[in-house]
Amino acid sequence: DTGVSQDPRHKITKRGQNVTFRCDPISEHNRLYWYRQTLGQGPEFLTYFQNEAQLEKSRLLSDRFSAERPKGSFSTLEIQRTEQGDSAMYLCASSWGQSQETQYFGPGTRLLVL
Amino acid sequence: QKEVEQNSGPLSVPEGAIASLNCTYSDRGSQSFFWYRQYSGKSPELIMSIYSNGDKEDGRFTAQLNKASQYVSLLIRDSQPSDSATYLCAVGGGSQGNLIFGKGTKLSVKP
Repeated sequence: DTGVSQDPRHKITKRGQNVTFRCDPISEHNRLYWYRQTLGQGPEFLTYFQNEAQLEKSRLLSDRFSAERPKGSFSTLEIQRTEQGDSAMYLCASSWGQSQETQYFGPGTRLLVL
Repeated sequence: QKEVEQNSGPLSVPEGAIASLNCTYSDRGSQSFFWYRQYSGKSPELIMSIYSNGDKEDGRFTAQLNKASQYVSLLIRDSQPSDSATYLCAVGGGSQGNLIFGKGTKLSVKP
């Protein structure tokens, strides 16, 4: 299967801990997006990369959130000092080429903050 | 604030019927439109993309776009119980390429 992969699929953590999620996009895709989805809502855009450049990060929810994509391949999303309100599904998507192209989603990482 | 609106449902149709899902969007400059299906606890799965006014058919699915009315729809013919899911309408958000999603319409197909 050469689709988008995410790891871990589930994460349970205690409030105040740091967590890091990984996303591996489809291999030839140059764009990578992070979204967050809470119950009953559509996915909410967080940030995106074109190759290794992070071109939009103002939508990250707070300065506790950060993302990287070293070498333009996989990406990581880190949440520092987690709060219960961070509990959600974190989705990664990738696409190729221009901004209007189809985005393909990974299976997501479900985070529960106790 | 760019918005995408969908009726949250639930929309219930009998097996074999046509399910009609609707979506409106606020940004008149939007150029790309997508329908994703999401089963409970799973991630969104692409069903259709549409970029031009008119209809686009793929198997049992037809997407319809009317840019003048800022309206996108998805028709599912011969609905099956396996079509029961939440359907997300997404609109391309501009230069960043991020998608703006509606809240989704929950579809239930009754055997």
